[in-house]
Formats: sequence, C-alpha cells, structure tokens
Amino acid sequence: AQSVTQLGSHVSVSEGALVLLRCNYSSSVPPYLFWYVQYPNQGLQLLLKYTSAATLVKGINGFEAEFKKSETSFHLTKPSAHMSDAAEYFCAVSVTGFQKLVFGTGTRLLVSP
Amino acid sequence: DGGITQSPKYLFRKEGQNVTLSCEQNLNHDAMYWYRQDPGQGLRLIYYSQIVNDFQKGDIAEGYSVSREKKESFPLTVTSAQKNPTAFYLCASSQLAGGITGELFFGEGSRLTVL
Repeated sequence: AQSVTQLGSHVSVSEGALVLLRCNYSSSVPPYLFWYVQYPNQGLQLLLKYTSAATLVKGINGFEAEFKKSETSFHLTKPSAHMSDAAEYFCAVSVTGFQKLVFGTGTRLLVSP
Repeated sequence: DGGITQSPKYLFRKEGQNVTLSCEQNLNHDAMYWYRQDPGQGLRLIYYSQIVNDFQKGDIAEGYSVSREKKESFPLTVTSAQKNPTAFYLCASSQLAGGITGELFFGEGSRLTVL
C-alpha cells in the first residue's frame, strides 16, 4: 500500500528565507504525488502535482517540488518565504487505478518577520 | 463558479444526537469523498463514492453513514455510535474519466463540536 511521510510537524522560517518541506513516499508502483495547502478553517487547495511528465514540478505561489525516485522523495521548496505562506501543507500520494489519495500528517509552516 | 459547497460551516450538537453534514458539487465530478481531519493526524478517509447509488467504506467508517442519490450530492451523517465526533470534516470530489488519478477538489469544511 502506498503512504507518505512528512518530516517535521512544524517548520519555522524568516520572511525571505528558503522554504523546504520534506515528503517521502512509499509505493510499489509509479506514484502520482501532490502537495496541498490549507489555510486556517478552510479546505485544501492544490499547490502542484507530479504525474510523471517532468521530475521538477512548478506550482502556484512560487512553489516547486522535485520528484527523486532514488530517494523516494518529493520535497516542496520556495526560494523566498512570504508572510502569506504561513499555512499547513500536506503531501499526498495515489497510484494508477486507485481513486483514493493517501495524505501525510501535514507540516505547519510558520513565517516570522 | 464551479465548486464544492459544504454546510453548515460550524455545528454544535449534544452527545448522542445524529447530525448530517451537507456536501454539494457543481463540477460534474464522478467521485466524491469525505475526510476527517484531527490535529496532527492529517486527513483520514471516511467514505467515498465513485458513482450514484454506490459507495465504499474508507479507513474510519465506523459511526458514519452516507448516501449518494444524486451525482452532485454526498451527505454525511455522524451517528451517535461515533465515539469521538468532534472534528473538522472535509468533502472532496474528483473527475474519474480523463482526469489525473487522485486529484481532489475540496470544500471549505464543516467543524463539528459535540458538547
């Protein structure tokens, strides 16, 4: 069965600093991978998705993620954090033929001025 | 605008009462899902439905029930058998045919508090 592990329940950065949120996946077949963002008391919004077309995926709000099969990772990065990036971020995985996403436990990003 | 509408956004109920959360979508999506979110536990799948009049249990279905009588609607009932119902509930939908497998679109959520 597929799964994802997000390292770090909280990540703190200063405004303007690099953002790095870690996600490792487990899947016996090529996966589809997703990053979602959630602002307080709201639903989840898709940031980006990996569907095997390209290993470096660019998403909304300046975020990107790189699929590394050898490391089974799909880490989320942004060169320069903004205060508005403060939110909870979820990594998720699915595989062909299955219509269910499996989510990680989430990482809360805190951005200080 | 197309999207998913959940109601109510906040709900308070006494212990032992059944409550029903509404979820409506106008995206013409085939599949609909209910997730439960608790702090530090991510999202856990309660039920999902890929077609009208059919649905499957997710990972934590005990104490919940659903129906799918119309393509656009997928209400969730939290029954008195659910031992710890206080949580944030999220409804989602996805396009099965021709869509990226697993990509979900979410509603704004319903926060249920049992007193």
